[in-house]
Amino acid sequence: AQSVTQLDSHVSVSEGTPVLLRCNYSSSYSPSLFWYVQHPNKGLQLLLKYTSAATLVKGINGFEAEFKKSETSFHLTKPSAHMSDAAEYFCVVSDDQAGTALIFGKGTTLSVSS
Amino acid sequence: EPEVTQTPSHQVTQMGQEVILRCVPISNHLYFYWYRQILGQKVEFLVSFYNNEISEKSEIFDDQFSVERPDGSNFTLKIRSTKLEDSAMYFCASSFQTVLGDTQYFGPGTRLTVL
Repeated sequence: AQSVTQLDSHVSVSEGTPVLLRCNYSSSYSPSLFWYVQHPNKGLQLLLKYTSAATLVKGINGFEAEFKKSETSFHLTKPSAHMSDAAEYFCVVSDDQAGTALIFGKGTTLSVSS
Repeated sequence: EPEVTQTPSHQVTQMGQEVILRCVPISNHLYFYWYRQILGQKVEFLVSFYNNEISEKSEIFDDQFSVERPDGSNFTLKIRSTKLEDSAMYFCASSFQTVLGDTQYFGPGTRLTVL
């Protein structure tokens, strides 16, 4: 069975400082991994996706994530936080087959202060 | 850019009533999904649908739930007799499998409140 664990339920940063949102996964085979973002009262927006082509994945809005098989991790980073980054972030795992379920982590709330 | 749309954005209903949540997937997508997110909890998979039949469903998706593609554009989720615990945000998603894999794109959600 696949699962994801988001290690922090809430992360607070100051504007202009780096962001690190941590995610560990469990999968019996090579998974596909995603980060989705949910802004208040909005839907789920795809930030980035890992599918084994490259371990460092670049997404939208300056976010990137690195797949580390040895650590079973897929942490999300951004060099410099912006106020508009404040949102809920979900780490997601799937077997990348159409029609199958995405397995979501519990989410990390990112707060950005000025 | 094409996107998934959902109506209504908010639905309030009385316990025991039937509700239908509507979604318009991205036009060239072939796979459709429903997920729900109870307030304060994680997003949970309900069901996936392909070629006019259910591909996969979770244990949450019991006989109270049904899905349908009534025409070439809409995809609906029906809850026959709503319970208080059905109150949640319901997300529709769609995808199109390619050689690069499958990516699900989500709509903005319908907030269902059961009183």
